Amino acid sequence: DAGVIQSPRHEVTEMGQEVTLRCKPISGHNSLFWYRQTMMRGLELLIYFNNNVPIDDSGMPEDRFSAKMPNASFSTLKIQPSEPRDSAVYFCASSLEEGYEQYFGPGTRLTVT
Amino acid sequence: GENVEQHPSTLSVQEGDSAVIKCTYSDSASNYFPWYKQELGKRPQLIIDIRSNVGEKKDQRIAVTLNKTAKHFSLHITETQPEDSAVYFCAASNSNYQLIWGAGTKLIIKP
Repeated sequence: DAGVIQSPRHEVTEMGQEVTLRCKPISGHNSLFWYRQTMMRGLELLIYFNNNVPIDDSGMPEDRFSAKMPNASFSTLKIQPSEPRDSAVYFCASSLEEGYEQYFGPGTRLTVT
Repeated sequence: GENVEQHPSTLSVQEGDSAVIKCTYSDSASNYFPWYKQELGKRPQLIIDIRSNVGEKKDQRIAVTLNKTAKHFSLHITETQPEDSAVYFCAASNSNYQLIWGAGTKLIIKP
């Protein structure tokens, strides 16, 4: 398996633009997680899906952030409109079942100017 | 609320010496405790994990110990090597199967 796949790997955009990050989990994994990592705040869980259903989105910063998982092999995280403080590395991770090892994707480095 | 405290934030050790990183957690329902290593510019990767029915687990130069009564667990790296330099994160599962993460420890191996 290729592991968790994320695209794009780098994204530079201007404030106010819409940003869409994409993730393909490992085939057969039932749980998918979106994280944000910054120096100041460390690794933060944004939202967690199990069997394509959002279980906990309490980590989503505000209404500008939204996430979907239309099927077991694809998820998106959208920021609209983007702001400079959204600049971070966004990781997607998947696990076989709840409570098991999470495998991280390579991350998307987002820069909002 | 649930939290995981990790210490120290930075650890510098001489190559060949041992390194110990400690974490405490607050949720008594936690039963899964992984440790991740993140090299600069890379993704976090699992290096060892332990479940609550075990007190210690070892894999070559790394080991993890768990004290459920005291709610703390530790990572031990022996015979440290330059490639051990990285940021290490501990985590503990909560009752919703999410991982609550520590703030990370930057491990520096001095030649």
